[in-house]
Amino acid sequence: QKEVEQDPGPLSVPEGAIVSLNCTYSNSAFQYFMWYRQYSRKGPELLMYTYSSGNKEDGRFTAQVDKSSKYISLFIRDSQPSDSATYLCAMSGGSNYQLIWGAGTKLIIKP
Amino acid sequence: NAGVTQTPKFQVLKTGQSMTLQCAQDMNHEYMSWYRQDPGMGLRLIHYSVGAGITDQGEVPNGYNVSRSTTEDFPLRLLSAAPSQTSVYFCASKGDRRLGEAFFGQGTRLTVV
Repeated sequence: QKEVEQDPGPLSVPEGAIVSLNCTYSNSAFQYFMWYRQYSRKGPELLMYTYSSGNKEDGRFTAQVDKSSKYISLFIRDSQPSDSATYLCAMSGGSNYQLIWGAGTKLIIKP
Repeated sequence: NAGVTQTPKFQVLKTGQSMTLQCAQDMNHEYMSWYRQDPGMGLRLIHYSVGAGITDQGEVPNGYNVSRSTTEDFPLRLLSAAPSQTSVYFCASKGDRRLGEAFFGQGTRLTVV
């Protein structure tokens, strides 16, 4: 079993919909939780990070962490075609803070 | 523009050849890393460095060498290329080691034939 599980998709939704992207993990030592966006043939870019449990909002994006369930989510409101990309979750913690990555979910927003 | 610069963007190698992927950052970040990305497998850490003169192995270090003689540069060397090293390689840097890498390069698409 992988330490971080993420459904690869693709997830296809109409423009304007609310999108929910999720990851589950097994290591309770993780403390920092990151979401990255990666456009085709580009490097990942850090969207948001959250420390421990709780929510964090940035514009149309909300990151949520539930440490009791070992489950993290990224919500995108009023989705736009420009949001079409692969979204990767990553997390760190423990003694060396090395990132553990999900495989990424490909998101397609249809105009 | 500030950020992480990787060269080359594309490369084709024959099995057994060696090459160096270059990576430079101008943000004075102590932490730099190299990843490879393969379909369905996410990003896997090859090597990382927490400062000039200090490097360590990641998840998949075999077949690769790194060095960190300056804060700015972190080259990745393929010693004897194999088809299994066909991948997209990313260099990244960050200022806070607890968090995820904040800056990624554009990537190098390497094909080994």
